[in-house]
Amino acid sequence: EAEVAQSPRYKITEKSQAVAFWCDPISGHATLYWYRQILGQGPELLVQFQDESVVDDSQLPKDRFSAERLKGVDSTLKIQPAELGDSAMYLCASRVQGGREDTQYFGPGTRLTVL
Amino acid sequence: GDSVTQMEGPVTLSEEAFLTINCTYTATGYPSLFWYVQYPGEGLQLLLKATKADDKGSNKGFEATYRKETTSFHLEKGSVQVSDSAVYFCALSGGSQGNLIFGKGTKLSVKP
Repeated sequence: EAEVAQSPRYKITEKSQAVAFWCDPISGHATLYWYRQILGQGPELLVQFQDESVVDDSQLPKDRFSAERLKGVDSTLKIQPAELGDSAMYLCASRVQGGREDTQYFGPGTRLTVL
Repeated sequence: GDSVTQMEGPVTLSEEAFLTINCTYTATGYPSLFWYVQYPGEGLQLLLKATKADDKGSNKGFEATYRKETTSFHLEKGSVQVSDSAVYFCALSGGSQGNLIFGKGTKLSVKP
């Protein structure tokens, strides 16, 4: 069964350092999402891509966060510089675009700890 | 804006007990509704979904019915197992871009 891949699974960094997370969606899924999940909360959308284009980044803290999906396949989310409040689980999800199939499939996540 | 409210946990049950986790939503239009489950240290797995009013989603003994009149999508299972211990998230797919909007999650612990 096809899955969304993410790496690394765990990342520990110090405040003010740069970190990057990678996501490879299910093959053929045009829509890709990055969510942030703070401990004890539900995931919240950071950015949504349709192919290589950003369609919603209204909740992305653009002073320190950036995301790209250059070839419309895999994606990278970067934080620079990391702050203590960025400690969270970062989840990637993908979806087939169009039709009635609107299910999002999630990867295992990257657990970020900022010290 | 669209939102999801689900009952706060934690919920602790004995094995074979009946489970209900309440979920209500506020949305414009006709969203799809989902239940996702998250096991410790893992990502979210789709448990079940319903795309229109009166649809019933079901999977692994879990069920939920899309009730438009009460704007609810309560999750039920007749007999829980220890392996059902996890955090359960109710979500809706709303807006023109189909973003998922999640509730805060309900932690379920099932004791043998």
